[in-house]
Amino acid sequence: GAVVSQHPSWVICKSGTSVKIECRSLDFQATTMFWYRQFPKQSLMLMATSNEGSKATYEQGVEKDKFLINHASLTLSTLTVTSAHPEDSSFYICSGTDRVGYTFGSGTRLTVV
Amino acid sequence: RKEVEQDPGPFNVPEGATVAFNCTYSNSASQSFFWYRQDCRKEPKLLMSVYSSGNEDGRFTAQLNRASQYISLLIRDSKLSDSATYLCVVSNQGGKLIFGQGTELSVKP
Repeated sequence: GAVVSQHPSWVICKSGTSVKIECRSLDFQATTMFWYRQFPKQSLMLMATSNEGSKATYEQGVEKDKFLINHASLTLSTLTVTSAHPEDSSFYICSGTDRVGYTFGSGTRLTVV
Repeated sequence: RKEVEQDPGPFNVPEGATVAFNCTYSNSASQSFFWYRQDCRKEPKLLMSVYSSGNEDGRFTAQLNRASQYISLLIRDSKLSDSATYLCVVSNQGGKLIFGQGTELSVKP
């Protein structure tokens, strides 16, 4: 079946550094990739929607200059958290769709110290 | 008001119990409806899609009432392995999945 490979699964970084998260769709082409964030005891909150070859659309309250999204091909999308701070510590998860179904990556647990 | 609202949890039930989860959504233009299951620190996994005609998958039954914008999930004969957080999810016109806050279920021996 369709798989989205997300890496890294966890990362600890120092405050002020940048972290890149990759999501690769295997065996299908993800025309659209959704990026979510989940804080403890809360649900998944949509951050942005990216379509291959075009700029991402960000949800209200999400800083586009802080969360850089690239979707250069139908099989790869990346989220870069720039100048990370402790409040960015969260579970980040991607979901790719080929307009038939949704496939989630396994998530990245980011801890900023 | 949140776009998707669920019963507050947690639900603590004994093995074999029947448990029902409720969910309401605010956007009448929502197009598709799902129940997902999320285990601790893992990605959500699709449990079942929900249709107006109602649908059943083994011990799980889902119902959708578009008029009242209400979705339900019934779990019969609950097992220890059913312990998880259950997420009510709707998709809108842009194909975005909007998640409810989730209801935690704990099935005890």
